[in-house]
Amino acid sequence: DTGVSQNPRHKITKRGQNVTFRCDPISEHNRLYWYRQTLGQGPEFLTYFQNEAQLEKSRLLSDRFSAERPKGSFSTLEIQRTEQGDSAMYLCASSQQGGSYSYEQYFGPGTRLTVT
Amino acid sequence: AQRVTQPEKLLSVFKGAPVELKCNYSYSGSPELFWYVQYSRQRLQLLLRHISRESIKGFTADLNKGETSFHLKKPFAQEEDSAMYYCALRALNSGGSNYKLTFGKGTLLTVNP
Repeated sequence: DTGVSQNPRHKITKRGQNVTFRCDPISEHNRLYWYRQTLGQGPEFLTYFQNEAQLEKSRLLSDRFSAERPKGSFSTLEIQRTEQGDSAMYLCASSQQGGSYSYEQYFGPGTRLTVT
Repeated sequence: AQRVTQPEKLLSVFKGAPVELKCNYSYSGSPELFWYVQYSRQRLQLLLRHISRESIKGFTADLNKGETSFHLKKPFAQEEDSAMYYCALRALNSGGSNYKLTFGKGTLLTVNP
């Protein structure tokens, strides 16, 4: 499978614990995005990388959240001191770079986080 | 600020009937509009985009800037069209973010036999 992959697919954690998710984009894609989707809502933008540079962070991303893409390939999203409100599906997407033309964003299967 | 509104959470039609999923947007600049679809137990995938003006799986969508709408239509629905449909917007002008997508809340389409 050469699509976007995410691990783990499911994570159950206790409130206050730290969790880390991984996203492997399509290999030739230099743009990587994280979105969060809660029940009954569409995906909401969290952050975006072009190569290894994190270019924008949504206000949804509190100080407890951090994302990295150290070598411009895979990315990790860490949530520290998880809260029940962090329970959601975390989606990763990747795309090629294309000036003003937007190349298609390809989505991964998501990581479903449940905070108990 | 960008906003996408899908007024219907649920839409149920019979096989062979026409279907229209509504999408309205709010954005002061020049938008690019998309429809994404998520079939049961599958990942989110692009269905169509207004720039390409294609018909995909019998679906079409026309961007109406006057009404700020991008409704998705299909003349004859099929059972395999049952899925969650999301309308999304990307800002195109230099003042906006020209990469992130802003999604609506989605419409669950059920096509009954």
